[in-house]
Amino acid sequence: KAGVTQTPRYLIKTRGQQVTLSCSPISGHRSVSWYQQTPGQGLQFLFEYFSETQRNKGNFPGRFSGRQFSNSRSEMNVSTLELGDSALYLCASSLEGRGFHEQFFGPGTRLTVL
Amino acid sequence: AQSVTQLDSHVSVSEGTPVLLRCNYSSSYSPSLFWYVQHPNKGLQLLLKYTSAATLVKGINGFEAEFKKSETSFHLTKPSAHMSDAAEYFCVVSELDRGSTLGRLYFGRGTQLTVWP
Repeated sequence: KAGVTQTPRYLIKTRGQQVTLSCSPISGHRSVSWYQQTPGQGLQFLFEYFSETQRNKGNFPGRFSGRQFSNSRSEMNVSTLELGDSALYLCASSLEGRGFHEQFFGPGTRLTVL
Repeated sequence: AQSVTQLDSHVSVSEGTPVLLRCNYSSSYSPSLFWYVQHPNKGLQLLLKYTSAATLVKGINGFEAEFKKSETSFHLTKPSAHMSDAAEYFCVVSELDRGSTLGRLYFGRGTQLTVWP
């Protein structure tokens, strides 16, 4: 079974631009969660989608948004990029996002904002 | 509220010696607990998970962890370290099925394990 895939793997953008990251979950998984990883803040939860609906959201500004498609693939978008948005963005999928369901992580997208 | 504290940001051991990575958690509800490992430039890989079954949990690559409710701890151990174990390890807590927690994991700050030859 194929794992979680994320595209692109690396991105370089400049301040003020916007960016879209993509995540394809494991086949059959309906929950997709997004995390931001930085040296200073560690791993922080962005949001979770299930059946095309955002069920849960972390404490990030409205510049961070996402969506999920009917095939469970998910995208996240960051508008008006800031230098502090430079991070590794990780996507994870699980069967239903319940507490006992393990999450399977993709390799991440490394975003650099100049 | 949920939180995870990894007591050591760095641990160094010699190859062949035991490994102990410490983790304490707080959770308002019955938690699920996980240990994930992250090798450089790689995603997170699940080592093991506790979901209210046996308190001693065995994982991959010889790792195990013991859930101690009275101490709110979930320490990760391995009897004999290998060079390939060098990586960053994350203790993670998840809660059961409350709306505000669905799909959400709470991560510790990580412990960087160095293994000397």
